[in-house]
Amino acid sequence: AIQVTQSPTSLSASLGDRVTLTCRASQDINNKMAWYQQKPGEVPQLLIYYASTLQSGTPSRFSGSGSGTDFSFTISHLQSEDFATYYCLQGYSLYTFGAGTKLELK
Amino acid sequence: EVQLQQSGAELVRPGTSVKLSCKVSGDTITAYYMHFVKQRPGQGLEWIGRIDPEDDSTKYAEKFKNKATLTADTSSNTAYLKLSSLTSEDTATYFCTTSLGAHFDYWGQGVMVTVSS
Repeated sequence: AIQVTQSPTSLSASLGDRVTLTCRASQDINNKMAWYQQKPGEVPQLLIYYASTLQSGTPSRFSGSGSGTDFSFTISHLQSEDFATYYCLQGYSLYTFGAGTKLELK
Repeated sequence: EVQLQQSGAELVRPGTSVKLSCKVSGDTITAYYMHFVKQRPGQGLEWIGRIDPEDDSTKYAEKFKNKATLTADTSSNTAYLKLSSLTSEDTATYFCTTSLGAHFDYWGQGVMVTVSS
């Protein structure tokens, strides 16, 4: 099974900061990486799929990149509503979520 | 608009089983793969498995192969997750979700399953 290593586990940042999360797959997954945002008590929301394609409605301050085994997810200018937990998901062979990154206000 | 409506919260005894439902509206269930995802309290997301309602083929994550059974009823546009031999480790919120490609698009609201005597 494909393993996905997400880092960091948690991150403290300020409004307006630029933050980057990463996910590494245990084997080549082409571009089959997606990113989700989840707030407490809510359903995960798809932000980015196929590594870099923004889901309809996702603000342009969110971006994704990468291919093969290494992927990154960036929020360019943190807004108050962005403080949440983020998960990556590989969908190349079955499906595996990363362990999540909790983004907190510094 | 596609919507997924899941059944209500469950309180179940250890050693028993539970069957959760996920009804699709706004489209036919056969247009999608149907998946279930587990989230234990305060923990991350785990993919359990998926069913293709077109032919009832299934795939499971290794750790859920003896725990979960996915079925679908095309006449009612509903997918089901049965969890067997329940333990406290199965206490979690279970989401259903759809896929057309390599990611999950539409999500149900989630259902909390509590395993307790």
